[in-house]
Amino acid sequence: VQLVESGGGLVQPGASLRLSCAASGFTFSDYWMHWVRQAPGKGLVWVSRIRSDGSSTTYADSVRGRFIISRDNAKNTLYLQMNSLRAEDTAVYFCAKDDYASSWGQGTLVTVSS
Amino acid sequence: FELTQPPSVSVSPGQTASIACSGDKLGDKNACWYQQKPGQSPILVIYENNKRPSGIPERFSGSNSGNTATLTISGTQAMDEADYYCQAWDTGTLVFGGGTKLTVL
Repeated sequence: VQLVESGGGLVQPGASLRLSCAASGFTFSDYWMHWVRQAPGKGLVWVSRIRSDGSSTTYADSVRGRFIISRDNAKNTLYLQMNSLRAEDTAVYFCAKDDYASSWGQGTLVTVSS
Repeated sequence: FELTQPPSVSVSPGQTASIACSGDKLGDKNACWYQQKPGQSPILVIYENNKRPSGIPERFSGSNSGNTATLTISGTQAMDEADYYCQAWDTGTLVFGGGTKLTVL
């Protein structure tokens, strides 16, 4: 199993960013997938999850209405579209496989600052 | 729904470390535990309360009853020094505890 996140960077408050998570080594279309974030020096916080076929999504209260999780099973890729970014969204964002979060990527850092 | 962990636990090498995670009726849910070392991604060490993924040493074990889940590390080694997070599902959302820093000294 390999999960590789990309798309992080430094953005200003109010901006948008799209993260990607490229999956390999397993049948991507069989599994729910998650995004989890970790602010610098802080703990893990679940962000969102998406069903294996993309038909169902769930969000943490803190991002609902601003973030959109999606996936392309043909490309074995998970996405997180982040809009109206705030300073408090600054974190390393991890993608994780299945409802046990049994495998994690290395993370991508998102910094929201003016 | 919240999961509460002690901020830190200390243990001597070779001894047993126990890390508690408390939450309302947590015993009615399945608990998982993750290990995270500095600069690394989390690793699942226990799922469904007491099951070990392939490759996780037998010294890691878990239990869950009442309002408390517990991660136990028997014969703790220096390499086990890390942050540990508990996790459980609640009404379709995944909840993590605040994390416990395990120091082996």
